[in-house]
Formats: sequence, C-alpha cells, structure tokens
Amino acid sequence: DTGVSQDPRHKITKRGQNVTFRCDPISEHNRLYWYRQTLGQGPEFLTYFQNEAQLEKSRLLSDRFSAERPKGSFSTLEIQRTEQGDSAMYLCASRGAGASYGQYFGPGTRLTVT
Amino acid sequence: AQKVTQAQTEISVVEKEDVTLDCVYETRDTTYYLFWYKQPPSGELVFLIRRNSFDEQNEISGRYSWNFQKSTSSFNFTITASQVVDSAVYFCALTFYGGATNKLIFGTGTLLAVQP
Repeated sequence: DTGVSQDPRHKITKRGQNVTFRCDPISEHNRLYWYRQTLGQGPEFLTYFQNEAQLEKSRLLSDRFSAERPKGSFSTLEIQRTEQGDSAMYLCASRGAGASYGQYFGPGTRLTVT
Repeated sequence: AQKVTQAQTEISVVEKEDVTLDCVYETRDTTYYLFWYKQPPSGELVFLIRRNSFDEQNEISGRYSWNFQKSTSSFNFTITASQVVDSAVYFCALTFYGGATNKLIFGTGTLLAVQP
C-alpha cells in the first residue's frame, strides 16, 4: 500500500490526558498537512510541513498542540491536556512538489475525549 | 478571504438518476485551483479532480463531469446514472496557486444518498 497511512485509526481518551498521532505520507511527497474535521463540517487546516520544516500553523492550533516531522518523512501530532472540544477526526495529507498536485489524504484518526 | 460554499446539505436520489452538486467559491486571487473530494462512510477523503483557474473546459470522466464557470465562480459536479456506491459526502475545495502552503479551503460538504 503506497497511500498515506495514519495510526491509530481510533483513540478514546479521558479529558486531561495527552495523545499522539502518527502520519506516514506517500514516500516521494515532501509536503505534509494536518487537518481537523468535526461532525458535519469540512476539514480545516491545522499545519503544514515542507520536508522537516513547519512553515505554517493555523490559529486553530493552540499551545496544547504540537506537530513534528523530524526527518522529513513521518509526522506526529500531539495534543496535551485534551479537552472535550478536541474530539474530531484528524486527517493527514501529503502531496508532491508543485502547486498543481492534489493532496492525498490518509484514513484519519478519530479522537474521542470523554 | 477565500471561501467555499456548498449550499446543498443533503441530496437523496434514486439509483440511475442524474444529480448535480453545487459549489460556489470566493477568492481575490487570479490563480487558484479547485478540487472535488469524496468521503465515503469509511472516512477517507478520495481525490476526484483538480481544475486550475486558467482552464474553463468542462471535464468528463466516466459517469462524472465537472462544469467550471469563472463568471459565476462555480465549479459544479454532476454524476450521471447514479449508483448506490456513489453515496458519500462530497467536498469542494479551493487553494491559492502561488501560496507557499497551498492549504485547502473546504466547503461544508454535500451528503449524497443514492437509494436502490
């Protein structure tokens, strides 16, 4: 399978706990995105990496959120001190160089904070 | 500011009917890309088509066709002879061509239910 993969697919956690999600992009793609999708809404941009550099962060990404892409390959998204409002689907996407390329999405990680 | 509007929240059709999903966008940019994605119940967003702002030719791919009209800022999607497997949420999205990020701005989606 050469698509974008995400792990875990589902995560249930208690409020106040920390969670970490992983995304493995398509191998030749150097651009990586994180989005968040809540019920009944379209995905909303969170952050963007080009290789290992995090070049843009959305205002949605509060101080409790941190993302890394240490070697320009896989990426992690960590949420500290989770809140119920963090419950959502977290989507990762990657694309190749050049704006004409579409973004290819992984299956997402569904987070439920109880 | 960039914005995508999908006014149709839900559409229900019977199999073999044709259906059109509407997408209206707002942008001050002169160069941009428009996309359609399909999100089946499994949750994964599936890329369907990309169209750049310089190309207003309509496109057909099998049962799918897209109508891009800059004059009305619309990028509508038609499924001909719909099938039950077409049931999904469909999202229209927009990105600025020259930006460093090329992040996607999504509409709120249209839930299409195709009844057998």
